Amino acid sequence: DAGVTQSPTHLIKTRGQQVTLRCSPKSGHDTVSWYQQALGQGPQFIFQYYEEEERQRGNFPDRFSGHQFPNYSSELNVNALLLGDSALYLCASSLYQGSDTEAFFGQGTRLTVV
Amino acid sequence: AQKITQTQPGMFVQEKEAVTLDCTYDTSDQSYGLFWYKQPSSGEMIFLIYQGSYDEQNATEGRYSLNFQKARKSANLVISASQLGDSAMYFCAMRDYSGYSTLTFGKGTMLLVSP
Repeated sequence: DAGVTQSPTHLIKTRGQQVTLRCSPKSGHDTVSWYQQALGQGPQFIFQYYEEEERQRGNFPDRFSGHQFPNYSSELNVNALLLGDSALYLCASSLYQGSDTEAFFGQGTRLTVV
Repeated sequence: AQKITQTQPGMFVQEKEAVTLDCTYDTSDQSYGLFWYKQPSSGEMIFLIYQGSYDEQNATEGRYSLNFQKARKSANLVISASQLGDSAMYFCAMRDYSGYSTLTFGKGTMLLVSP
């Protein structure tokens, strides 16, 4: 049973460009949360998707948007990239009504903006 | 607002010794959960242990135990009998139950286990 898979693993983009990151949740999970982890920091919550809707959002600008598909997979889109968007982007999947210990993280996508 | 503080940027321990990683938290909620995650260099966050705010006993999971002191708002992770494979970043995190299942993380502690 595959866990959470994220693609791509690494990405280099130029300032001002747009990027799309992808996440496939663990089988049976229906909720996807996205986190940004800057170098030397802990992850920061971006937003969460359940039933194809954004359920909660952290303190991130509108340049960050997302989508969840009927198969529960999700995308994170970032427009007008800034150098400060360089980070590890982590996806976590869980059951919306599940227990706290059943959230699984992917290995992340490392985004570098030059 | 919630806040997690991890004051130890790095910790060193010898193999087979025990080590304590500190975590203090701040929240106005009465119902919350505390988590510890391990992040190896591969980047994946690995769940280690969970403590609910109403749990009366400290959580234990194998070599991991959580020293929960509610009045002091601390949730320290104790790793017994350290192994070389324990070398990684460790993050303390919190979730409150007034909202949805999002986590607030601390800045982490890098643990290095030497032979």
